[in-house]
Amino acid sequence: AQSVTQLDSQVPVFEEAPVELRCNYSSSVSVYLFWYVQYPNQGLQLLLKYLSGSTLVESINGFEAEFNKSQTSFHLRKPSVHISDTAEYFCAVHPYTDKLIFGTGTRLQVFP
Amino acid sequence: NAGVMQNPRHLVRRRGQEARLRCSPMKGHSHVYWYRQLPEEGLKFMVYLQKENIIDESGMPKERFSAEFPKEGPSILRIQQVVRGDSAAYFCASSSRGPRRGGELFFGEGSRLTVL
Repeated sequence: AQSVTQLDSQVPVFEEAPVELRCNYSSSVSVYLFWYVQYPNQGLQLLLKYLSGSTLVESINGFEAEFNKSQTSFHLRKPSVHISDTAEYFCAVHPYTDKLIFGTGTRLQVFP
Repeated sequence: NAGVMQNPRHLVRRRGQEARLRCSPMKGHSHVYWYRQLPEEGLKFMVYLQKENIIDESGMPKERFSAEFPKEGPSILRIQQVVRGDSAAYFCASSSRGPRRGGELFFGEGSRLTVL
């Protein structure tokens, strides 16, 4: 069975500071990996994804994540956060033969 | 190109009533997923449907919950005889390709059910 663990339920950080949101997964089969962002009272939006190829993937708003197969991790990073990055972030795995499985989410709170 | 449309956005029901949640996938998408988000929890998979077929309902409660995706019209998630524990946000997602081909899921804004 597959599972996703997001180790931090909340991450408070000051504006312009770097941030890392951790995600580890467990799977007996190959997976696709995703990060979704959810702003208050909205649906989920895809932030970035790893399907194959380069292990470092980037989003258009400065986030990046690196797939580490040996450590089964897909941590999300941003070198300098903005107030507008305040949201809930969900890591998800998509086993090649099954549905999308989400972690419990990490609430990023950016303070001025 | 309109995104995934869910309605109603907010629904209030009394215990014992029925709740019907509708989801219109993105144009050209034939794969629909329903997820439930309970307070302070992540999204839990409920059911995966293609047109007129239920592919995977392993996350659906055994009683009171049902889902359909007819040939014409939106997908419907139906909850009969609602209880307070059904209060949650229900998200629909659609995809143009199935899981085996890594189809990206596009999510609606959710339907928030409150059971009094």
